[in-house]
Amino acid sequence: SAVISQKPSRDICQRGTSLTIQCQVDSQVTMMFWYRQQPGQSLTLIATANQGSEATYESGFVIDKFPISRPNLTFSTLTVSNMSPEDSSIYLCSVAVGSGNEQFFGPGTRLTVL
Amino acid sequence: QKEVEQNSGPLSVPEGAIASLNCTYSDRGSQSFFWYRQYSGKSPELIMFIYSNGDKEDGRFTAQLNKASQYVSLLIRDSQPSDSATYLCAVTRRTNAGKSTFGDGTTLTVKP
Repeated sequence: SAVISQKPSRDICQRGTSLTIQCQVDSQVTMMFWYRQQPGQSLTLIATANQGSEATYESGFVIDKFPISRPNLTFSTLTVSNMSPEDSSIYLCSVAVGSGNEQFFGPGTRLTVL
Repeated sequence: QKEVEQNSGPLSVPEGAIASLNCTYSDRGSQSFFWYRQYSGKSPELIMFIYSNGDKEDGRFTAQLNKASQYVSLLIRDSQPSDSATYLCAVTRRTNAGKSTFGDGTTLTVKP
């Protein structure tokens, strides 16, 4: 398994601003992912954070809006840029470990955009 | 058709009963199958994973996989009120670099 922390746990932001979310893992992991989960909805994968290269984004998500950094095997950041109320959601990072790539999730960041 | 489909629920069972959660998937290249539990306001936590056809038991939980029917299920025996949560089914392809596709989840309520 893996122990994951995220900062901040929650934030309230103004429209047009940006927020950077940090994800720290207690061990080195290759695969790290960023998800969004809106209230009552399932998980939507934003991107895969790759160490040493650009993140791989899913359909509907772009680097300009959600820039991601992965400077080493234990840390990643996701920035939500030029925020609008539609970006209000819970943002989760996860890592895939083990022979079957089981995923373990951080506690999430609850973002509210006014 | 969604890649991973779950009964939307909600599913309600009395305490002590067996809760049965079902999941179907469309990609025959799927290799690994996972069940996550998510309590309200919390992040998902892994409770079971299965790779081979058949049953896998862990305490009160049993995962069942039938690749021919593209079906995976989770049975919870002796259900407890603390089992009340949303259960997410997830599927990973061999070639998908660890990415999982998640279903929409089934909300389970266990009534005392």
